[in-house]
Amino acid sequence: GESVGLHLPTLSVQEGDNSIINCAYSNSASDYFIWYKQESGKGPQFIIDIRSNMDKRQGQRVTVLLNKTVKHLSLQIAATQPGDSAVYFCAEMKASKLTFGTGTRLQVTL
Amino acid sequence: DAGVTQSPTHLIKTRGQQVTLRCSPKSGHDTVSWYQQALGQGPQFIFQYYEEEERQRGNFPDRFSGHQFPNYSSELNVNALLLGDSALYLCASRSSGNGANTGELFFGEGSRLTVL
Repeated sequence: GESVGLHLPTLSVQEGDNSIINCAYSNSASDYFIWYKQESGKGPQFIIDIRSNMDKRQGQRVTVLLNKTVKHLSLQIAATQPGDSAVYFCAEMKASKLTFGTGTRLQVTL
Repeated sequence: DAGVTQSPTHLIKTRGQQVTLRCSPKSGHDTVSWYQQALGQGPQFIFQYYEEEERQRGNFPDRFSGHQFPNYSSELNVNALLLGDSALYLCASRSSGNGANTGELFFGEGSRLTVL
């Protein structure tokens, strides 16, 4: 069946360091893979997406890597800031339907 | 430009009651989806509305129903509430035009439902 899972429930990173959040997926038929950020008491906020036929996509301070061979997705955040502290979800989209994983909490220490 | 707006933000119901949650999509968006997010979990897809019809549905019982109005706003109705229905209910919108070429959905802040 379809599933999107995350390797680590909590990631602690020092301010200024780079963060890497990983995700495994099992549905190879997805159109997009997406990363969302959710702060406490708020709805998920889109960070970046990658089409299923791409390997890498860069945004502002963020890079998403897609390895279809091992069905692995990662989000890299450069120069992590306190404002990056949140729960990060990977999700896959097929026909406008999102399937989310359980999330990784990113804690930025000063 | 207002984003996705939801109401109410919080509400408390008792078992067996019915609830209606409301959503106004982001300006220019015509497709609305609803998600249920239990505490500590990722959002789970309930259903999606486009052109006033339910287009896709997740694994939720018929107690969960919805509606989309001509102005693209939407309602989520839950009947015969159970304790397990306590969750954050999120509305998300996108455009069926240019928005269809991206994985981006715009989410509202959610309606926190507590069932006692």
